[in-house]
Amino acid sequence: GAGVSQSPSNKVTEKGKDVELRCDPISGHTALYWYRQSLGQGLEFLIYFQGNSAPDKSGLPSDRFSAERTGGSVSTLTIQRTQQEDSAVYLCASSSAGGGYTFGSGTRLTVV
Amino acid sequence: DQQVKQNSPSLSVQEGRISILNCDYTNSMFDYFLWYKKYPAEGPTFLISISSIKDKNEDGRFTVFLNKSAKHLSLHIVPSQPGDSAVYFCAASKVEGNKLVFGAGTILRVKS
Repeated sequence: GAGVSQSPSNKVTEKGKDVELRCDPISGHTALYWYRQSLGQGLEFLIYFQGNSAPDKSGLPSDRFSAERTGGSVSTLTIQRTQQEDSAVYLCASSSAGGGYTFGSGTRLTVV
Repeated sequence: DQQVKQNSPSLSVQEGRISILNCDYTNSMFDYFLWYKKYPAEGPTFLISISSIKDKNEDGRFTVFLNKSAKHLSLHIVPSQPGDSAVYFCAASKVEGNKLVFGAGTILRVKS
């Protein structure tokens, strides 16, 4: 498709379980970003992939969070042993070099 | 440490009048600033940007003003329309195309 695609759109999981969130960026976009928006909060940076460079993981809140970007395209954000405070909308964005972000519609994660 | 601050959580404006959304930043290394608009259940969409070498950028009904000495930017929408009702995020980066730091957002309601 023409836009950034995220799946699933909604995910309800039990506390302590692992979850995987997927992002398909726009074809040809070299940069991919993960952000999250907790209720009533702004967009919190999580991780940034740029081409073949080492990712900027400075925003990951704990070692339970990790992300991969395979083949410079699809990315998966994994949250292990989920906690209730992980509940948020997880947003993925991609951009071309020097270009603006295009965001996906997000994955709403609810940890019960 | 909030590097980008939007101190007004919400703003209500009458249709046809001007909407002014404000944003302050603390990091003097930021040199590229953007505004994003977000509707419920959708990802943020790019609205307008400004480089630090400018103090104004205009695109139709939207104008962004940058005051570098005050580390302040604002978004003016005139005339405001009911379809402008959304959450507006201010964002900044050190380099155009690099990772963005977002504010907490301002909910704009345009009343008809």
